[in-house]
Amino acid sequence: RKEVEQDPGPFNVPEGATVAFNCTYSNSASQSFFWYRQDCRKEPKLLMSVYSSGNEDGRFTAQLNRASQYISLLIRDSKLSDSATYLCVVNKALRGSYIPTFGRGTSLIVHP
Amino acid sequence: SQTIHQWPATLVQPVGSPLSLECTVEGTSNPNLYWYRQAAGRGLQLLFYSVGIGQISSEVPQNLSASRPQDRQFILSSKKLLLSDSGFYLCACPLRSQLASDYGYTFGSGTRLTVV
Repeated sequence: RKEVEQDPGPFNVPEGATVAFNCTYSNSASQSFFWYRQDCRKEPKLLMSVYSSGNEDGRFTAQLNRASQYISLLIRDSKLSDSATYLCVVNKALRGSYIPTFGRGTSLIVHP
Repeated sequence: SQTIHQWPATLVQPVGSPLSLECTVEGTSNPNLYWYRQAAGRGLQLLFYSVGIGQISSEVPQNLSASRPQDRQFILSSKKLLLSDSGFYLCACPLRSQLASDYGYTFGSGTRLTVV
C-alpha cells in the first residue's frame, strides 16, 4: 500500500463548479499535512496546510480526519486558473527529522 | 523567507555520462534539504535528504549519490547516467525551522534532465 494515495483524475469540471479531492495516508504517526499545487512543468507550490479543525483560504477549504487517515480539499466556484495538479503531502517524523511524502497528484481541468 | 536556487534548468546528457546538479539555499541556516525526482507523469520520489553538512540519508537505491559540502549547498551526482534517470529533479527545504513542521516546504525551480 502506498504511503499517500490520491485519485489521479482528471477531474474535468465547468467554471463555477465545486470540486473535492481526497487523499488517504497509511502512516498513523504522520505529523502534519499540506496541499500543494503543481502547474505543468513547474515546481510544486504550497497551497495550504491542513488542520484537524479544518481551515479555509478564500475558495479553498482543507480538512483532516486523523481517525480515518484522510485529508480533503474543496474548491468552490472553480476558475480556469485553478487547472493544475493538486498534490497531497504528508509529513512524517523519521529518525529525528521530518520527511515530506507526496501523493501522485490529482489533475483538475476547469473548462469554460 | 528561504529561496532555493537550482541549475541548470534543462539538461540533455548521453547515457553513461556523469551528472552534477547543484542546489543552494538563501535566507536560512542549517536547513534540512531534500532531493526529489519526478518522472514523466509520476509523483515526486524522495531520493536523498540531509539534516546537516556531510549528513546524507538515501531513500532509494540507485546509481545516484548526494553530498552536502556546505551548510546551504546540496549536490546530486552520478558517475554514469542511465536512461531511467531522466526526470524533473527538485530540491526542497522547510519554509521555517525544521522543528516547525507545520509550515510546509519550498522548492527550487528544478532541473529537467533528459538522458539520451
